[in-house]
Amino acid sequence: GAGVSQTPSNKVTEKGKYVELRCDPISGHTALYWYRQSLGQGPEFLIYFQGTGAADDSGLPNDRFFAVRPEGSVSTLKIQRTERGDSAVYLCASSLYGSGSPLHFGNGTRLTVT
Amino acid sequence: GIQVEQSPPDLILQEGANSTLRCNFSDSVNNLQWFHQNPWGQLINLFYIPSGTKQNGRLSATTVATERYSLLYISSSQTTDSGVYFCAVRDDKIIFGKGTRLHILP
Repeated sequence: GAGVSQTPSNKVTEKGKYVELRCDPISGHTALYWYRQSLGQGPEFLIYFQGTGAADDSGLPNDRFFAVRPEGSVSTLKIQRTERGDSAVYLCASSLYGSGSPLHFGNGTRLTVT
Repeated sequence: GIQVEQSPPDLILQEGANSTLRCNFSDSVNNLQWFHQNPWGQLINLFYIPSGTKQNGRLSATTVATERYSLLYISSSQTTDSGVYFCAVRDDKIIFGKGTRLHILP
């Protein structure tokens, strides 16, 4: 597609459940980023992939969060044992290469943990 | 890590007014982007501007990297300009400011 695609657009889950959020970047973009945005705040960095490898995962809040990008294209953010505090909009962005090219964001996945 | 400060935090203007939004950052950066987040939550890329000046219609931006700031100018504001404007800077990872919330009154 023409832009970054994120699915699902909305996800409601119960506390303690496992969720997967998917990001399909712009074709040919080697860099992929995950962010989390809470109400009234700016996007908060989670993890950055260059190709298949995680170049920087310092923003992942704890070991319940994990992300993969096995073929260097689609990425999945995985959250285990969800907590109510995980509720937020999860944003994915891609860029043609790393630093030095503009970011393009998807529309996000709104996660609600009840 | 790099600190990004945006000002003002909130701005209310009448339609047709001009505005200047500021982004200060604490260290050298590889590049800088301005985004508009509309009321539906979409983040729209306005400018990729590591240095210099760019213009796109009623919007323009200037980054003075040596003095560690960037300015976003909006002229002849329209109600559709409402939303939150974010500055994001890149060292290795990309850090966002807290944004300027702009509300344009009809």
